[in-house]
Amino acid sequence: DIQMTQSPSSLSASVGDSVTITCRASQGISNYLAWIQQKPGEAPKSLIYTASSLHSGVPSKFSGGGSGTDFTLTISSLQPEDFATYYCQQYKSYPLTFGGGTKVEIK
Amino acid sequence: EVQLVESGGGLVQPGGSLSLSCAASGFIFSDYYMDWVRQAPGKGLEWVGRSRNKANSYTTEYAASVKGRFTIFRDESKDSLFLQMNSLKTEDTAVYFCAGTYCGGGHCYFVYWGQGTLVTVSS
Repeated sequence: DIQMTQSPSSLSASVGDSVTITCRASQGISNYLAWIQQKPGEAPKSLIYTASSLHSGVPSKFSGGGSGTDFTLTISSLQPEDFATYYCQQYKSYPLTFGGGTKVEIK
Repeated sequence: EVQLVESGGGLVQPGGSLSLSCAASGFIFSDYYMDWVRQAPGKGLEWVGRSRNKANSYTTEYAASVKGRFTIFRDESKDSLFLQMNSLKTEDTAVYFCAGTYCGGGHCYFVYWGQGTLVTVSS
């Protein structure tokens, strides 16, 4: 199985800040990577696929990068609605696996 | 508008069975792969299994933790996805989400998500 490791597991930031979350795969997955946002008590929401492509309706403040084993999600100009938990997920091979999540909290 | 609406969750004893449903609308159900993803209380997301699309004969894949106990199938006439769960264990306690998965250019990624249904396995 491909293990996905996210860091940090949590971070505190202020409205207007930019933050970067990293995700590392235990083996190369090319760009078969997605980023998913989840707010407390809500369904997950898909943000990014193929490591850097935004889903329809996702604002350009979200950007993804990387290939192979190392990936990033950057959120610029944090707004109150961006405080959530973010998961990376590989879909290169079965079983599909998720990172442990990064909780972005308000400082 | 795309909707995925799960139902069927509840309290079940260890060793028992439960069947979850996911009613889809707003997209061509037979064209999409469909997945079940679960989330134990206070934990992260865990993939449960997949039904490929009609073009791939609705074949399935499962996580090792549920293989042989859970079965995913569809009712094309009702645009519905099902998860039959047998021999349930306490560690199966979770919110179960169905997800609509788009496949294109060799990539298959989650696009749509339901609100989830809670399954509690406890005596």
